[in-house]
Amino acid sequence: GAVVSQHPSRVICKSGTSVKIECRSLDFQATTMFWYRQFPKQSLMLMATSNEGSKATYEQGVEKDKFLINHASLTLSTLTVTSAHPEDSSFYICSAKSGPASDTQYFGPGTRLTVL
Amino acid sequence: GENVEQHPSTLSVQEGDSAVIKCTYSDSASNYFPWYKQELGKRPQLIIDIRSNVGEKKDQRIAVTLNKTAKHFSLHITETQPEDSAVYFCAAPVYSSASKIIFGSGTRLSIRP
Repeated sequence: GAVVSQHPSRVICKSGTSVKIECRSLDFQATTMFWYRQFPKQSLMLMATSNEGSKATYEQGVEKDKFLINHASLTLSTLTVTSAHPEDSSFYICSAKSGPASDTQYFGPGTRLTVL
Repeated sequence: GENVEQHPSTLSVQEGDSAVIKCTYSDSASNYFPWYKQELGKRPQLIIDIRSNVGEKKDQRIAVTLNKTAKHFSLHITETQPEDSAVYFCAAPVYSSASKIIFGSGTRLSIRP
């Protein structure tokens, strides 16, 4: 149990376009989902916390108008990178918790974004 | 501020020897401490975790110790094997604003044959 999927696994896009990444909890309801970004040889940096039915909470320094997060259901959260630029190229990983009382996070497989 | 520090950044040990990775955290309210293993290009995998009501937890070759007074916890891998080579991350929750987990900077563990 506790499987999180992410789609697409990799995407290449042109500078200036928008890219949407989906994160799904397949066998549990995720009240909270998290979006991380990981640059090569670096740690996972939390971008935002997403609670179902409410606005995402963004970490300091993360532009909410550039990284749009929607958590419309208990099994799906989406991250849209708007007007992508080469510096947005990174590995984006989502994770999900099954409830406020749960500490364990289950990670998706990640999405490799390359902006040309 | 919220912070999780991890040392060392790289670690090379002979196959069969033990490896120890250490982390410190800043939020005294933290009560759950997971360790993740990440292989290149893949998702982090939870390998062991510990809650603040115990000081040590062991799972076969992997153990984690926790010192709440000093706010540090450590990962111990014994009888290391080549497949243990990976990047390891510690993490700790931060409850100041939202319930979120902050990751350490990671330790690249290499097992020498």
